[in-house]
Amino acid sequence: ETGVTQSPTHLIKTRGQQVTLRCSSQSGHNTVSWYQQALGQGPQFIFQYYREEENGRGNFPPRFSGLQFPNYSSELNVNALELDDSALYLCASSLKGSGNTIYFGEGSWLTVV
Amino acid sequence: GENVEQHPSTLSVQEGDSAVIKCTYSDSASNYFPWYKQELGKRPQLIIDIRSNVGEKKDQRIAVTLNKTAKHFSLHITETQPEDSAVYFCAASIQRAGSYQLTFGKGTKLSVIP
Repeated sequence: ETGVTQSPTHLIKTRGQQVTLRCSSQSGHNTVSWYQQALGQGPQFIFQYYREEENGRGNFPPRFSGLQFPNYSSELNVNALELDDSALYLCASSLKGSGNTIYFGEGSWLTVV
Repeated sequence: GENVEQHPSTLSVQEGDSAVIKCTYSDSASNYFPWYKQELGKRPQLIIDIRSNVGEKKDQRIAVTLNKTAKHFSLHITETQPEDSAVYFCAASIQRAGSYQLTFGKGTKLSVIP
């Protein structure tokens, strides 16, 4: 149990639509990151939030955006969905006092048709 | 940016044998190297990690070694069991306050043959 929960677990969207994925972590996780894992690939870093501000971004277009809330929960929003956005989206957070080890949530499977 | 290469992409071993997966990284500032195991349809699970101030770390049948000079690190699994079959990912990160971005390798599919 990592203490990181994500919702929804599975969803299907149509090309051009918008999607919001959610992540909840335990108190003390002041850093949250989002990763995209396409089928057969390793996770790719999308962006990271630290103290509610974006603190690092990978090679993803602006239609990928996010938020972090004071209660340590987070959202990933993707606008104008494309077929290639179909992937497992993973939220990751770090536990204070554990050497900043990073743990992943169960992920949200997004299929764009 | 950081680039992580992982080899081999697939690995088959007989039950009881050892398995070794190797990774190289490009950024000498990287200081944290975790390994994740991912079973089909599930999230990556951290199995072991090592920091740049340590050369080797063991946890039961799993060990990781790090060579900072050569910028490579390896995962060693001894006495493999069928339940070790999964995809394994190495990753590298420059960890500092508030920043924990991981760069992953492309994964190794390990099959342990009973």
